[in-house]
Amino acid sequence: QQQVKQSPQSLIVQKGGISIINCAYENTAFDYFPWYQQFPGKGPALLIAIRPDVSEKKEGRFTISFNKSAKQFSLHIMDSQPGDSATYFCAASPENNAGNMLTFGGGTRLMVKP
Amino acid sequence: DAGITQSPRHKVTETGTPVTLRCHQTENHRYMYWYRQDPGHGLRLIHYSYGVKDTDKGEVSDGYSVSRSKTEDFLLTLESATSSQTSVYFCAISGYSGNTIYFGEGSWLTVV
Repeated sequence: QQQVKQSPQSLIVQKGGISIINCAYENTAFDYFPWYQQFPGKGPALLIAIRPDVSEKKEGRFTISFNKSAKQFSLHIMDSQPGDSATYFCAASPENNAGNMLTFGGGTRLMVKP
Repeated sequence: DAGITQSPRHKVTETGTPVTLRCHQTENHRYMYWYRQDPGHGLRLIHYSYGVKDTDKGEVSDGYSVSRSKTEDFLLTLESATSSQTSVYFCAISGYSGNTIYFGEGSWLTVV
């Protein structure tokens, strides 16, 4: 049972365009929602994260939008660049999570065309 | 880099043989994790450790065991490898509850 569902599985965007990746979760106890970026042959690296007390968080060209009532959150990459081509994973963990264990979505492979 | 070294980075082994993957950290972080990554499934937690000799199961622990005899080392063992355990294995660490999780560079395991 996949508790965090991510879409689309793959995405092609032109340089300068907006990339949007969506995630939906089921567990209402989740209260920490990070996004990880992974380049080929590398481990995932934290990109940006949000907690449900805010509806949006922006860091440079990357923005997380969060809709608590719908149990959905999304990553927007503005002015997408070829260097953004990577696999992106959303994740979630519950409050009072002693081990900070994350449940991951299935991943989105983003390709930004020059 | 988060000070995580995984070894071996690549391994091909035969079905039924034991395999041990090693994770070594230089950050003195309390929590260590083993995840596996498979297409369409993202990363799934196999086992984690919250201290020396303190470990617990994750989502996909069947067929795997772990040990942590020192803060810096976390071993993942496949007692009898199967083809379904062909995957990329990632070690991860974090300092305390709620902190960022840092991932190693992965170990590619192929079971033939």
